Parts: sequence; structure tokens; C-alpha cells
Amino acid sequence: GNSVTQMEGPVTLSEEAFLTINCTYTATGYPSLFWYVQYPGEGLQLLLKATKADDKGSNKGFEATYRKETTSFHLEKGSVQVSDSAVYFCALSGESGSEKLVFGKGTKLTVNP
Amino acid sequence: DSGVTQTPKHLITATGQRVTLRCSPRSGDLSVYWYQQSLDQGLQFLIQYYNGEERAKGNILERFSAQQFPDLHSELNLSSLELGDSALYFCASSPPGSRWTDTQYFGPGTRLTVL
Repeated sequence: GNSVTQMEGPVTLSEEAFLTINCTYTATGYPSLFWYVQYPGEGLQLLLKATKADDKGSNKGFEATYRKETTSFHLEKGSVQVSDSAVYFCALSGESGSEKLVFGKGTKLTVNP
Repeated sequence: DSGVTQTPKHLITATGQRVTLRCSPRSGDLSVYWYQQSLDQGLQFLIQYYNGEERAKGNILERFSAQQFPDLHSELNLSSLELGDSALYFCASSPPGSRWTDTQYFGPGTRLTVL
């Protein structure tokens, strides 16, 4: 079945540092790819998504590009803030046309002032 | 606020007991998904309902069951609870038509603790 592998961290950065969280996937067909973020004590929020190859999703300064050739969807941000501290999940859907989300294990990011 | 509501927020119970978790989707959404988040298994899809009908099933134990009612709210029933069932249970909903390109909107979750 489909699967998602992401760097598990934890990742600790200083404010204004560059962020990359790697995500690769295994899937048949053409999945949709998502990054969700979970702030402490809260549910998951969609950060960005891409539904076809070469699409770039972006939101709040975060970006990720759907790369079919490398089966990757790495999350990047040029300058992180303390408020970005959270757990980030890479996910895909579309296995056999299914809408269920398959998640990576999550990456905990801590940004220090 | 995603518009998806879940009750209760916390639930503490004993092994062998049965509990019911409730979810109300966003207004207009027809699909409801249930996910379990645990330390060892991560986030796992349990089951999906669409407009009252079961649409997809994931890693849901036989002791667990769910349903979606005519007003579109959903309930997840967990019975014969074991210590290992302690987890965060999330509900999500998505717009009508439900395609795999659609965003799922998550509720705040119910934290279940089995003692």
C-alpha cells in the first residue's frame, strides 16, 4: 500500500533560520500530497497541499513542490518564527481512489528566540 | 476553528468498558473520517462515512464501530476497552463530492485514557 516517510526529528532551530523537512512517498497512481500542522493541544490544520506533479503548495511562508520523479514533497520555509513551533505531518491520499489520508510519523519543530 | 466539533474533549475510563465519541462535521460536509493518533502507531485511518453510508474502512478493530446519522453527525463506539486503546481520536470532514484531492478538516480530538 501507499506510505509516507518523513524525517522524524525533533528539529530545533533559531528564529529566522531556514527550515527543510523531508518527505518522500510510495504510491501507485497519482496521489494528492498534504502538509498538516499540529500545534500543542490542538487538532490538525492543513498547511498546504498539491494535487498533481510539479504543483507547488504554499501558505504562511511555507512551500512544498510535488516532485513525481523523486517521489518527494519536502516542506521549506525561509525564515522560521517561534510561533512555527509545532508538529508537522506529511500525508497523501488517493490510494485506489480512496480519500483516506496516509500520514508520516510527524516531525516536531522547536524554534528558539 | 475548523468548524468540526468533537465531544467529549477528554474521557477517562477503565479496561473492559464501552465509550462513545461524537463528531459533528462542518456545515454542508457529507463525509466524516475517524483517525486514531497514538505514540506507537502514529496517525491511522479508522473509517469513513459518506452521507450515512460506510465508504471506506481502515485499521479499525472489531471492538470498534461507527455510524453516521441523518443529521450527519457521527459516533465512534469503542467497546471492551484495553490499555492500548488510549489515544487521541480525531474526526475530520470534507466537502460534498469527496475526492481524494479535497482537504479534510479536523476537529480538536477526544483524548481517551483507559486505566
